[in-house]
Amino acid sequence: EVQLVQSGAEVKKPGESLKISCKASGYSFTSNWIGWVRQMRGKGLEWMGNIYPGDSDTRYSPSFQGQVTISADKSISTAYLQWSSLKASDTAMYYCARISSGRKDWFESWGQGTVVTVSS
Amino acid sequence: QSVLTQPPSASGTPGQRVTISCSGSSSNIGSNPVNWYQHLPGTAPKLLIYRNNQRPSGVPDRFSGSKSGTSASLAVSGLQSEDEADYYCAAWDDSLNGPVFGGGTKLTVL
Repeated sequence: EVQLVQSGAEVKKPGESLKISCKASGYSFTSNWIGWVRQMRGKGLEWMGNIYPGDSDTRYSPSFQGQVTISADKSISTAYLQWSSLKASDTAMYYCARISSGRKDWFESWGQGTVVTVSS
Repeated sequence: QSVLTQPPSASGTPGQRVTISCSGSSSNIGSNPVNWYQHLPGTAPKLLIYRNNQRPSGVPDRFSGSKSGTSASLAVSGLQSEDEADYYCAAWDDSLNGPVFGGGTKLTVL
């Protein structure tokens, strides 16, 4: 069974750094793209970017390019989303999701989400 | 503002059939398949329909999808109280070079 287990909720101050994780199991981690999706409170889903753990090929939405960094450690089947300097506007729920096959395919399995709260 | 346009809400009574529309453009729905996700508050989104009209294993056949031109729709027949959730359409966008989502439709079972 494919499972994506995300790290727990975070409360941070503006300007702090943060790295959240998404641990995959039940399939070959290096064979599927993983995407990150943001949901701000009361809003819809927004694609942030994807990574292919097999070769670390990473693509970003223009809205998030330069704002976050997506990475993966294939030795522990874990993808990451990180910020170097958080803003209050980064407060949101963040989901990782496995993409079915090719990069353009659908989000097949989702993590449970990580709530990030940025407040002074 | 989302790239794909969905009505913010839809409703129906148990047993009814409800449809949710999703409108896009030539760079997304017009040239790529549409996928639908069901999102219950406090849970992870769930893939409901992929490639316009395909259901993953375990999704009831009460859910169906269709696409025509730059629009798509999700139909829920035999509405049940457990169908109350937010529904999102999504498609690859060739201009963005990434997936785009609709703003979501909150389905209420009256």
